[in-house]
Amino acid sequence: DVKVTQSSRYLVKRTGEKVFLECVQDMDHENMFWYRQDPGLGLRLIYFSYDVKMKEKGDIPEGYSVSREKKERFSLILESASTNQTSMYLCASSLSGILAKNIQYFGAGTRLSVL
Amino acid sequence: GESVGLHLPTLSVQEGDNSIINCAYSNSASDYFIWYKQESGKGPQFIIDIRSNMDKRQGQRVTVLLNKTVKHLSLQIAATQPGDSAVYFCAENTAGNKLTFGGGTRVLVKP
Repeated sequence: DVKVTQSSRYLVKRTGEKVFLECVQDMDHENMFWYRQDPGLGLRLIYFSYDVKMKEKGDIPEGYSVSREKKERFSLILESASTNQTSMYLCASSLSGILAKNIQYFGAGTRLSVL
Repeated sequence: GESVGLHLPTLSVQEGDNSIINCAYSNSASDYFIWYKQESGKGPQFIIDIRSNMDKRQGQRVTVLLNKTVKHLSLQIAATQPGDSAVYFCAENTAGNKLTFGGGTRVLVKP
């Protein structure tokens, strides 16, 4: 069964802290994604990665960075958390390849509050 | 409780009735479409997909219809059940491996 695991369901951090959100998938997927989800704004892509050590900016990368040292793990980093980064963060993964359907499988989400 | 969207369009449906959720997409070059279901406190879950060379696809109690002429996608749920209460998102494959998501529709099933 497909599984994407996000390390924390809830996090509370203070402004200025460095925050790590971890995501692990067990499906040997090449692609991994980080989104944030806010009321009225839907899912917005922050960063994605199509291979180990590769990363691409999404629609809203400012204030974030990512790390993909291993195929199964994709980390989202908030270098200096700010209150406007309070949000639900969703990680997803998908299989790559011409014949692969681009179905993204999601984790349960991490609700981050920055105080 | 948690809410994935405070300003979502909402479809209120009686248990046992059929539901139709609509989605307008933007890119005429999109070749693949997916419907996701998101229950409160959970991540989006794949329901059904359709390629652009099809206009209809059926799953278990769900049917997706694609009208490329007007760039419209719909999800029909037959005999809606309380467990169908959720937010439903459409997504289109626009470029490479990325998906673009719609804003979502909340479905509330009344007993």
